[in-house]
Amino acid sequence: GAVVSQHPSRVICKSGTSVKIECRSLDFQATTMFWYRQFPKKSLMLMATSNEGSKATYEQGVEKDKFLINHASLTLSTLTVTSAHPEDSSFYICSANRQADTEAFFGQGTRLTVV
Amino acid sequence: GENVEQHPSTLSVQEGDSAVIKCTYSDSASNYFPWYKQELGKRPQLIIDIRSNVGEKKDQRIAVTLNKTAKHFSLHITETQPEDSAVYFCAAMGSSGGYQKVTFGTGTKLQVIP
Repeated sequence: GAVVSQHPSRVICKSGTSVKIECRSLDFQATTMFWYRQFPKKSLMLMATSNEGSKATYEQGVEKDKFLINHASLTLSTLTVTSAHPEDSSFYICSANRQADTEAFFGQGTRLTVV
Repeated sequence: GENVEQHPSTLSVQEGDSAVIKCTYSDSASNYFPWYKQELGKRPQLIIDIRSNVGEKKDQRIAVTLNKTAKHFSLHITETQPEDSAVYFCAAMGSSGGYQKVTFGTGTKLQVIP
């Protein structure tokens, strides 16, 4: 199966700093990647859809300036949490699809803790 | 936008019994319906999927049914085993505004009691 690698798996940062999370498709090209936030014992909440070479499409209620998404190549998308606050602490997970309407392959997820 | 509801939120079954999880969706344009299993602290893994042109699909102990008219789909696990214990998510996927969108259900925590 296809492999999606997400780094880092865990990160602790101070309030006010920025954190970058990388999502890479290792053995396929992903024209579309998705970023999710998952609260404890809750479902995956779609934050944004990342399309290579164009601006990300954000879901309602997600701050574009706070969660910066860059999809610079067909194998890499990054999520930067800017000016992080404790309420941003969560599990962030990305997924990538080979083609539209096909299986989504998930990264390992990133546990972000803002202190 | 798409709205996916999933029931039940928790499900306990005896080992060997069957488990059924149901989901409904709202957007008739959705055409791909995957089911994911997520073990504690791990990434979701696809266990089975179905497309809108098919009514039923089976893979060993797992089956999924889709009723497009009623906009609901269900996951059936037969002969459950303790290792089936996990959180299961349904999802509905389709195109919206030229972009592919996926909406997940709220999840079902399945516990298989030995």
